[in-house]
Amino acid sequence: GQQVMQIPQYQHVQEGEDFTTYCNSSTTLSNIQWYKQRPGGHPVFLIQLVKSGEVKKQKRLTFQFGEAKKNSSLHITATQTTDVGTYFCAGPSAGNKLVFGAGTILRVKS
Amino acid sequence: GAGVSQSPSNKVTEKGKDVELRCDPISGHTALYWYRQSLGQGLEFLIYFQGNSAPDKSGLPSDRFSAERTGGSVSTLTIQRTQQEDSAVYLCASSSTSGGADTQYFGPGTRLTVL
Repeated sequence: GQQVMQIPQYQHVQEGEDFTTYCNSSTTLSNIQWYKQRPGGHPVFLIQLVKSGEVKKQKRLTFQFGEAKKNSSLHITATQTTDVGTYFCAGPSAGNKLVFGAGTILRVKS
Repeated sequence: GAGVSQSPSNKVTEKGKDVELRCDPISGHTALYWYRQSLGQGLEFLIYFQGNSAPDKSGLPSDRFSAERTGGSVSTLTIQRTQQEDSAVYLCASSSTSGGADTQYFGPGTRLTVL
């Protein structure tokens, strides 16, 4: 079945440093979604990308969808302590079910 | 309320007992998912309801786990003869269509502890 792989599993950065997490699918995706889960909280939707090569920005967060629509990335510029949490990517499977990556845990040291 | 709600928020039970976890999705949402999340881990898919179709039960870890969705709205996840390895946070999510393209809205989860 379809797999969505995410790397790295864990990253610890100094406040002010940049951070990137990568998502790769074994199949072409019609869209990709990104979610953020704060410690002790539940996943919250951040954004959806649909078009090949699409780039979207939310303040310090930049989301990209690959040309082949099989990979995506989330880049955070100048991390802040409020960025801590787990970032998940997710894409629809052939069975029309949303499949989540394993997530990347981000810790920010101030 | 406008969001997904789950009850109870916390459940402590003894090994071997049955538990029922409840999820109230956003009104009108046709798709409903259950996930399990162990501490520091990712989202483990359990079951997916979409409209009136037969649910996708492919993620249920054993026959001790079952779920229902009555009237296309409220869902109950039942775990029979609980084991210590069932301890986790159980998350419910709903989305407005039966397709995988739609945003999922998560509830706050039920933290299950099996002693």
